[in-house]
Amino acid sequence: EAGVAQSPRYKIIEKRQSVAFWCNPISGHATLYWYQQILGQGPKLLIQFQNNGVVDDSQLPKDRFSAERLKGVDSTLKIQPAKLEDSAVYLCASSFPARTVKQYFGPGTRLTVL
Amino acid sequence: AQSVAQPEDQVNVAEGNPLTVKCTYSVSGNPYLFWYVQYPNRGLQFLLKYITGDNLVKGSYGFEAEFNKSQTSFHLKKPSALVSDSALYFCAVRFLSSNTGKLIFGQGTTLQVKP
Repeated sequence: EAGVAQSPRYKIIEKRQSVAFWCNPISGHATLYWYQQILGQGPKLLIQFQNNGVVDDSQLPKDRFSAERLKGVDSTLKIQPAKLEDSAVYLCASSFPARTVKQYFGPGTRLTVL
Repeated sequence: AQSVAQPEDQVNVAEGNPLTVKCTYSVSGNPYLFWYVQYPNRGLQFLLKYITGDNLVKGSYGFEAEFNKSQTSFHLKKPSALVSDSALYFCAVRFLSSNTGKLIFGQGTTLQVKP
């Protein structure tokens, strides 16, 4: 079975520029998550989708971050404008909606903001 | 506040020796507990989980973890370490009271297995 796909794998931008990340979850997985992993820290949930609806975006910096999941499949996470502190790995994960199952993670996008 | 702690930034062990990576959590309800491993430039890979039942959980690659409710711990163990086990390990919790799938991760422990 194909895993969670993410692109690009690496991105370098200057502060105040915009950037977008793409995620394609495992087929059939209704739940999609975006995590931010800053170097030396564990991943932190930014936003969770159930199909195309937002379940939890309490830790998403909404003044600069946005995410969408049109048609309940692929998802895009955008940062506009980027700050130096946004340098991190952005991980996408997906799962079935049942509460007990594990999450499957993609390889991540490493963002460097200069 | 709900939190997860991994008290050791790094664990060093010789190949063939047993290893333990520690995890404790603070919770107001009953948690689901997970261990994930991360190799360089790769996403997190699931190792094992505790939901209910036997306190000793067996997972991938010979790893196991022991749930201790009284000590609120979920330490990862392996009887005989391999050099290939060297990686970054994350403990994570998900709370039964949560209506979301939100995982709360520890800060990670780097495991270094030396030949």
